[in-house]
Amino acid sequence: AQSVTQPDIHITVSEGASLELRCNYSYGATPYLFWYVQSPGQGLQLLLKYFSGDTLVQGIKGFEAEFKRSQSSFNLRKPSVHWSDAAEYFCAVYDFNKFYFGSGTKLNVKP
Amino acid sequence: NAGVMQNPRHLVRRRGQEARLRCSPMKGHSHVYWYRQLPEEGLKFMVYLQKENIIDESGMPKERFSAEFPKEGPSILRIQQVVRGDSAAYFCASSPMGVEDGSYEQYFGPGTRLTVT
Repeated sequence: AQSVTQPDIHITVSEGASLELRCNYSYGATPYLFWYVQSPGQGLQLLLKYFSGDTLVQGIKGFEAEFKRSQSSFNLRKPSVHWSDAAEYFCAVYDFNKFYFGSGTKLNVKP
Repeated sequence: NAGVMQNPRHLVRRRGQEARLRCSPMKGHSHVYWYRQLPEEGLKFMVYLQKENIIDESGMPKERFSAEFPKEGPSILRIQQVVRGDSAAYFCASSPMGVEDGSYEQYFGPGTRLTVT
């Protein structure tokens, strides 16, 4: 069965520091992978997605993610975090009509 | 172009009452998905509908929950005889096409937060 694991529940980084959020998936075929961001009280906004091709994908707001098939990972990165990036981030795999979401990583940004 | 709209944003019901959650997809979108988010968890798929058809309801509890997407009007998620465990955020997403047409884009609404007292 498809599953997505985000091992870090909370992460705190200083503003201006780099960020990496981990995501591991379990999926039999080539996965369609996504990262979403959710601000408090809001819906989900798509940051980026991977279907095929170049394993390093660029998204909005300066985010990027790298697909590593050998590690079943799709980690999200940003070189320099801004205070406005504080939110919850969800990794997801798409399979036949539906998304399977990880449990999320809450990002706090210190001034 | 308005996004996906959900109402109400917050809903309080007593145990045993009915909850009706509404979702208006983006203009031109004929596919609607409902997800439930329990506290401290990710979103869990519930049901996928097209106009007047339920395509996949594999994530819906077998009892008390139903969903519809009529030819006219919003999609409705209905929960009968609510219990405390139904307290959650319910999100709707819409897409212009289904997966059979190669569409994997889903646009999410702001959610309805249901509290059962």
